[in-house]
Amino acid sequence: AQSVTQPDIHITVSEGASLELRCNYSYGATPYLFWYVQSPGQGLQLLLKYFSGDTLVQGIKGFEAEFKRSQSSFNLRKPSVHWSDAAEYFCAVGAGDYKLSFGAGTTVTVRA
Amino acid sequence: DVKVTQSSRYLVKRTGEKVFLECVQDMDHENMFWYRQDPGLGLRLIYFSYDVKMKEKGDIPEGYSVSREKKERFSLILESASTNQTSMYLCASTLQGATGNTIYFGEGSWLTVV
Repeated sequence: AQSVTQPDIHITVSEGASLELRCNYSYGATPYLFWYVQSPGQGLQLLLKYFSGDTLVQGIKGFEAEFKRSQSSFNLRKPSVHWSDAAEYFCAVGAGDYKLSFGAGTTVTVRA
Repeated sequence: DVKVTQSSRYLVKRTGEKVFLECVQDMDHENMFWYRQDPGLGLRLIYFSYDVKMKEKGDIPEGYSVSREKKERFSLILESASTNQTSMYLCASTLQGATGNTIYFGEGSWLTVV
């Protein structure tokens, strides 16, 4: 069975600074990988996804993620954070049957 | 835009009550899901449906059942609500055909069982 670990429960970053959120997955074959964002009181919105091809994936809102098979990682990055990026971020892995396994989430706080 | 609508955003129910959470999607998606979200645990799949009247248990089905009588509607049922079912419930849907298809989420239903 697949699983996801997000090692950082909470990250605080200054507006304009860079952001990196870590995600490690466990799965025997090539995984389908996703990053979702959840603003307070809202559902989840897809930021980006990877399932083949270029290992650097561009998403919405200026986010990107890099798939590293050797490290079983799919870290999310943004070069310059905006106050509106304060939210909870979830990494997820799929195994080809539509059922995703989600990490516990990382809460991002942006300070002025 | 795809819309997944959860009609009840906030509910307070008593222990032992039967609770229905309704979800409707407007994009003719075959697959629909119910997840439960708890702090520190992320999202956990309760049930999954890949067609009308078809359902499959997820990771935490105990205490829950589902109904899919029409393609656009997927209901989560708590037969006898308990306090440990206090949580945020998220409905989602996606097209069949490829795991890479985007899964669309509703805004969530906050359920408190007292």
